[in-house]
Amino acid sequence: QKEVEQNSGPLSVPEGAIASLNCTYSDRGSQSFFWYRQYSGKSPELIMSIYSNGDKEDGRFTAQLNKASQYVSLLIRDSQPSDSATYLCAVNRGGGGNKLTFGTGTQLKVEL
Amino acid sequence: GAVVSQHPSRVICKSGTSVKIECRSLDFQATTMFWYRQFPKKSLMLMATSNEGSKATYEQGVEKDKFLINHASLTLSTLTVTSAHPEDSSFYICSARSQGGETQYFGPGTRLLVL
Repeated sequence: QKEVEQNSGPLSVPEGAIASLNCTYSDRGSQSFFWYRQYSGKSPELIMSIYSNGDKEDGRFTAQLNKASQYVSLLIRDSQPSDSATYLCAVNRGGGGNKLTFGTGTQLKVEL
Repeated sequence: GAVVSQHPSRVICKSGTSVKIECRSLDFQATTMFWYRQFPKKSLMLMATSNEGSKATYEQGVEKDKFLINHASLTLSTLTVTSAHPEDSSFYICSARSQGGETQYFGPGTRLLVL
């Protein structure tokens, strides 16, 4: 079992729709969770972090965390073509070093 | 805030040569910097963690004598790929984290092509 799992996609949604991106993780002791967006050929950029169960909203983005189910998701409302990218889920398992483990990413395509 | 730069952005070198990549935190002090490698259509793989003033900690399978990391100041870390070979061609990305912070901020990456 991979430590952080994401569906590779592509996930296609029409412009203006809600895109839902999912991520599961294997280490129940994981403490903090991050969503990064990566455009083709570019490095990741931080979208959101979430540390406690529930929802966290920032503009069009909502991160949801359920530690009991070891599940974290990202919702993108009013999807725009510029949201088309690969979304990486990253998990900090805690302990020394605060290292992140990344999923393989979900490719999102927002279609006109 | 939280801007990280990398230099060079792209480098082409001959097999057997060494290449140095710089990673700088421009507006914060980075007590910890991370070096990743990403192959096409793959996720980021952590190579090593460097803390200012101490030796880097390498991930399993990463050769420390081949990938030399120096973190001499709170704003600069360098990765030197020694005796580069074509299989070292990849996208190298650094990230930086401030003391007490959990978020890693990524540099723009360096694309290395070894001929």
